[in-house]
Amino acid sequence: DGGITQSPKYLFRKEGQNVTLSCEQNLNHDAMYWYRQDPGQGLRLIYYSQIVNDFQKGDIAEGYSVSREKKESFPLTVTSAQKNPTAFYLCASSSGLGYNEQFFGPGTRLTVL
Amino acid sequence: SQQGEEDPQALSIQEGENATMNCSYKTSINNLQWYRQNSGRGLVHLILIRSNEREKHSGRLRVTLDTSKKSSSLLITASRAADTASYFCATEKDSSYKLIFGSGTRLLVRP
Repeated sequence: DGGITQSPKYLFRKEGQNVTLSCEQNLNHDAMYWYRQDPGQGLRLIYYSQIVNDFQKGDIAEGYSVSREKKESFPLTVTSAQKNPTAFYLCASSSGLGYNEQFFGPGTRLTVL
Repeated sequence: SQQGEEDPQALSIQEGENATMNCSYKTSINNLQWYRQNSGRGLVHLILIRSNEREKHSGRLRVTLDTSKKSSSLLITASRAADTASYFCATEKDSSYKLIFGSGTRLLVRP
């Protein structure tokens, strides 16, 4: 069953702690993305990766870090430098070939206590 | 930055009616896509229209694109209660793999 998974579904963090959100895909896609969504808002791009061992900052990369050591995995770390991390985080992937339809995971809701 | 802006922000219709949502964007694009999001879930791709296309159909969905006006519309015909969701347009400006999403239209279809 092909798809993109994110874990955990809900995550609670104390202020000052780093947390890592998991994103895995078995679609054999080259490109992967992380978005942040605030209530009632659209998606804003945090980081994206077009290929293994390479990634680029999106529009709101400050306070976040990523790695892309494997094709199927693109974890996002929310660091203590992110001043307002409470949000819904969505991971997506695309084949990177031709036109860029993106497939989304179910999301992780992060709450800072 | 938000490239696309949807209009209206919210729409409430009766089951069986048609729903029309509009999207405007600012710069030239490679393609425009529409996505659907149920509350608290990930997005689902609905339809992609290329910059050299003017209209596209998929089931009960009809998308138009007017590059001269930098706008697109999504029409859902014969709406159902299950169509209740938020709908987002997203534009790909070039071959950068990046999509820029609008702020969405929240559609409520009353049974």
